[in-house]
Amino acid sequence: QKEVEQNSGPLSVPEGAIASLNCTYSDRVSQSFFWYRQYSGKSPELIMSIYSNGDKEDGRFTAQLNKASQYVSLLIRDSQPSDSATYLCAVRYSSASKIIFGSGTRLSIRP
Amino acid sequence: DVKVTQSSRYLVKRTGEKVFLECVQDMDHENMFWYRQDPGLGLRLIYFSYDVKMKEKGDIPEGYSVSREKKERFSLILESASTNQTSMYLCASSLIGNTEAFFGQGTRLTVV
Repeated sequence: QKEVEQNSGPLSVPEGAIASLNCTYSDRVSQSFFWYRQYSGKSPELIMSIYSNGDKEDGRFTAQLNKASQYVSLLIRDSQPSDSATYLCAVRYSSASKIIFGSGTRLSIRP
Repeated sequence: DVKVTQSSRYLVKRTGEKVFLECVQDMDHENMFWYRQDPGLGLRLIYFSYDVKMKEKGDIPEGYSVSREKKERFSLILESASTNQTSMYLCASSLIGNTEAFFGQGTRLTVV
């Protein structure tokens, strides 16, 4: 079983709709969770980080964490064509340890 | 702003060559990472370092080694390059703690 799993997509969402991206992880001692966005040919850039159960909102983005279910999600409201990218979920187990990434979900926002 | 700089954007090497990929960060980060990214496989961790001269294997260390003699610099070494090491290589750094990683621009390595 992979440590961090994501649906590879592509996920196609109409402009203005909500895009929902999901991620599950296997290690219960995971402590910090990140969502990165990666445009084609570019490096990943951080969108959101979340550390405790519940929701965290930043503009059009909301990250949701449920540690009991080992599940983290990213919601993008009012999706724009510029949101079309690959979204990577990442998990960190402890302060000095490695950061493990999922394989990414390709999101396409159609006008 | 955090800056992570990789020495080359594109690199072409021959099979059997020893290859060095260099990464420098300017934010005094304790942790540094090397990943490779292949289509459909996401980012896979090769090695990471949590302090100078300290390193741990990631998920795919075979065929690679690393060096961290100074805090700001983390080098990835391909001892004898092979065609299956053709990939995008990404370096990242982070503070110690439950913090995010910042990435360099990536090195696209082609082994012919």
